[in-house]
Amino acid sequence: ETGVTQSPTHLIKTRGQQVTLRCSSQSGHNTVSWYQQALGQGPQFIFQYYREEENGRGNFPPRFSGLQFPNYSSELNVNALELDDSALYLCASSLKGQRITDTQYFGPGTRLTVL
Amino acid sequence: GENVEQHPSTLSVQEGDSAVIKCTYSDSASNYFPWYKQELGKGPQLIIDIRSNVGEKKDQRIAVTLNKTAKHFSLHITETQPEDSAVYFCAATQMEYGNKLVFGAGTILRVKS
Repeated sequence: ETGVTQSPTHLIKTRGQQVTLRCSSQSGHNTVSWYQQALGQGPQFIFQYYREEENGRGNFPPRFSGLQFPNYSSELNVNALELDDSALYLCASSLKGQRITDTQYFGPGTRLTVL
Repeated sequence: GENVEQHPSTLSVQEGDSAVIKCTYSDSASNYFPWYKQELGKGPQLIIDIRSNVGEKKDQRIAVTLNKTAKHFSLHITETQPEDSAVYFCAATQMEYGNKLVFGAGTILRVKS
């Protein structure tokens, strides 16, 4: 077990709705990255949060947004849900130092289904 | 940006045999290459990683090799067991820029007993 937790485990929404996914990072970690994993594919980087600010974004539209809290936990928000947003959403925590960001450890994921 | 290709997409081996999964990357600036194992319904689990200042790393039955010149890295699993059956992902990144992983498409490994 990595110590990274995510909630909820599963979620079903309809097109156009909004969703919030939550992640608690591993103790001692200060950085959270979010990934989207479509069925049968590798995870794709959405964005990363460090010190409560976005620290890089992948090729995802602005309706994907996030937050990081002072305790380093994080939320992923998706507005105006589309059918293609159906996927496993993974968060990964890591420790960012002065020079490098170290190994990422993943949580179990949230399975989002959009109908 | 970085692009990672992974082969084969599926691999079936007999219990006790070895399994090899290969990845190539495009960005010569990448310097960190982790491998993750993902079982059904679970998140990816780190099994081994290698940094660009090292050519090979071993941990019990698992080893990873890196060829920086050719931009190849490979996962080797010896004496495979049924519990090794899972999806394996390689990834590449630069640790100085947030360690934002770029993953391969995955390899489904089946170990037949």
